Amino acid sequence: NAGVTQTPKFRILKIGQSMTLQCTQDMNHNYMYWYRQDPGMGLKLIYYSVGAGITDKGEVPNGYNVSRSTTEDFPLRLELAAPSQTSVYFCASSLAGLASLYNEQFFGPGTRLTVL
Amino acid sequence: QKEVEQNSGPLSVPEGAIASLNCTYSDRGSQSFFWYRQYSGKSPELIMFIYSNGDKEDGRFTAQLNKASQYVSLLIRDSQPSDSATYLCAVNIEGDNYGQNFVFGPGTRLSVLP
Repeated sequence: NAGVTQTPKFRILKIGQSMTLQCTQDMNHNYMYWYRQDPGMGLKLIYYSVGAGITDKGEVPNGYNVSRSTTEDFPLRLELAAPSQTSVYFCASSLAGLASLYNEQFFGPGTRLTVL
Repeated sequence: QKEVEQNSGPLSVPEGAIASLNCTYSDRGSQSFFWYRQYSGKSPELIMFIYSNGDKEDGRFTAQLNKASQYVSLLIRDSQPSDSATYLCAVNIEGDNYGQNFVFGPGTRLSVLP
């Protein structure tokens, strides 16, 4: 099992450009998440999905969009990139949901994004 | 706003010593508590989970929970240089806003000196 994979590993964008961060998991998890991690800060939830076709906003959704057409894939779209979106982005998946007592999240390797 | 706080460190301990990492949380409705380890440039991985008051031990790691004091800690016995990492505390909070019910703290950077 590859677990959670993300592409690309690194990307530099110019202000106003758009891009899609790819995320795939092969563990058949229904729950998937996108986080961003700024230096010295914890992980902030951007969007999450509880299954194919169902997504919802997390704590910091502005400037992002997601879709979930299959169980395996959960891409994150950045429209009109801004310097404030410079961060490390982690995709994660879990067998149980956020409201469960036990919720182990498995993280991808991350995408380091710089917006100049 | 629901908050999870940790001392950012760095916390430096000599090899073989006990490292003590602390986490406080603001919401009394918090149900379960997680410790993730994150090596520099890598992704977080779960190392401990606790939901009942008291201690939970797993090898060299012990998680301690005190819900009355809203405090959870992680003890690492016989610390090794390979334990040098950032340790993230995460809290599962009961509530209506599903997307904001799982909160990570900012992490504590641990450095174990040979």
